[in-house]
Amino acid sequence: GAVVSQHPSWVICKSGTSVKIECRSLDFQATTMFWYRQFPKQSLMLMATSNEGSKATYEQGVEKDKFLINHASLTLSTLTVTSAHPEDSSFYICSASSSAGSGANVLTFGAGSRLTVL
Amino acid sequence: GQNIDQPTEMTATEGAIVQINCTYQTSGFNGLFWYQQHAGEAPTFLSYNVLDGLEEKGRFSSFLSRSKGYSYLLLKELQMKDSASYLCAVKDSNYQLIWGAGTKLIIKP
Repeated sequence: GAVVSQHPSWVICKSGTSVKIECRSLDFQATTMFWYRQFPKQSLMLMATSNEGSKATYEQGVEKDKFLINHASLTLSTLTVTSAHPEDSSFYICSASSSAGSGANVLTFGAGSRLTVL
Repeated sequence: GQNIDQPTEMTATEGAIVQINCTYQTSGFNGLFWYQQHAGEAPTFLSYNVLDGLEEKGRFSSFLSRSKGYSYLLLKELQMKDSASYLCAVKDSNYQLIWGAGTKLIIKP
């Protein structure tokens, strides 16, 4: 089945630094990738949708200058948390779809990246 | 607005059966998904319903009634490893996934 690799699985950084998280589709081409954030005991919150070769679409309330998303190829999307602060500490999860739109398309999730900002 | 409701937490006994309900109000409907998420891990796909009725897959079954905006996930012969959160998600008319807050299922011996 489809596999999505996400790296790193956990990261601890100092306040003010930037952190990059990578999301790769290993055995399929992902035209669309989604970035989610999940706080403890809460559901997934969609941050942004990225389509290969175009700018990401950010959800309301998500700062696009703080959460930089690059979907440079059909197999790789990156999320960079710039100037991270403790409130950015969360579980970040990417997911990928082999095609946009189709109702039956199942999202394949990466294993998630736990970010702790000190 | 768009809304998906599911119970926050449920408790069941090992070997028993449990039904997790999900009701939704969305702008359009293009399918309903159930995902399982163990603590600290990413969600994994369980089932997809787009037509009314019951979809059975081993110990897990999922039911959909579009007219009632209602689905349930049925777990049989519960095992301790089934302790997890179960997320209901609906694709709206724009094919955007709307997520429920998840139901934490606790299995007791």
